[in-house]
Amino acid sequence: GAVVSQHPSRVICKSGTSVKIECRSLDFQATTMFWYRQFPKKSLMLMATSNEGSKATYEQGVEKDKFLINHASLTLSTLTVTSAHPEDSSFYICSAPTGGGVYGYTFGSGTRLTVV
Amino acid sequence: QQQVKQSPQSLIVQKGGISIINCAYENTAFDYFPWYQQFPGKGPALLIAIRPDVSEKKEGRFTISFNKSAKQFSLHIMDSQPGDSATYFCAATAGTASKLTFGTGTRLQVTL
Repeated sequence: GAVVSQHPSRVICKSGTSVKIECRSLDFQATTMFWYRQFPKKSLMLMATSNEGSKATYEQGVEKDKFLINHASLTLSTLTVTSAHPEDSSFYICSAPTGGGVYGYTFGSGTRLTVV
Repeated sequence: QQQVKQSPQSLIVQKGGISIINCAYENTAFDYFPWYQQFPGKGPALLIAIRPDVSEKKEGRFTISFNKSAKQFSLHIMDSQPGDSATYFCAATAGTASKLTFGTGTRLQVTL
């Protein structure tokens, strides 16, 4: 089945630094990637939608300059948290429709970001 | 109109019992209704999904019941096991590459 590989699974960074999270589709072409943020014991909150070769679409209230999304190829989408602060600490998850005109979404395994 | 309401927030079921989680939606354009299981520190994993042209779908111990007129759908977990203890999310979308709208989640605990 379709697999999205997400790295790193955990990252601890210092306040003020930037962190990049990668999501790779291993056996299919991900023309679209959804990026979610999840707080403890809460649901997934869509942050942005990226499409290969075009600018990402951000949900209302999400700072596009803080959460930079790049989708330069059909198999790789990245989320960079710039100038991270403790309030950016969260669980970030990517997801891609598996495509082919068939309903289905595959999720990455998530990245636990801790900003100290 | 984009909301998906999920209940209960938490659920405790004895081993062997039936776990039932309910969701309701408003957007009649939704045409795909998946259920996801999430363990702590992991991404969601698809359990089972249904399209609105059927009223029920069963896969193993998991069954989705769908009521199009009431705009409701539910997940039934038969013979619940301690390994089923996880958070369950319902979701809905309109279109094969459209964003998913998630419910608020249900934390299921299956006791011995």
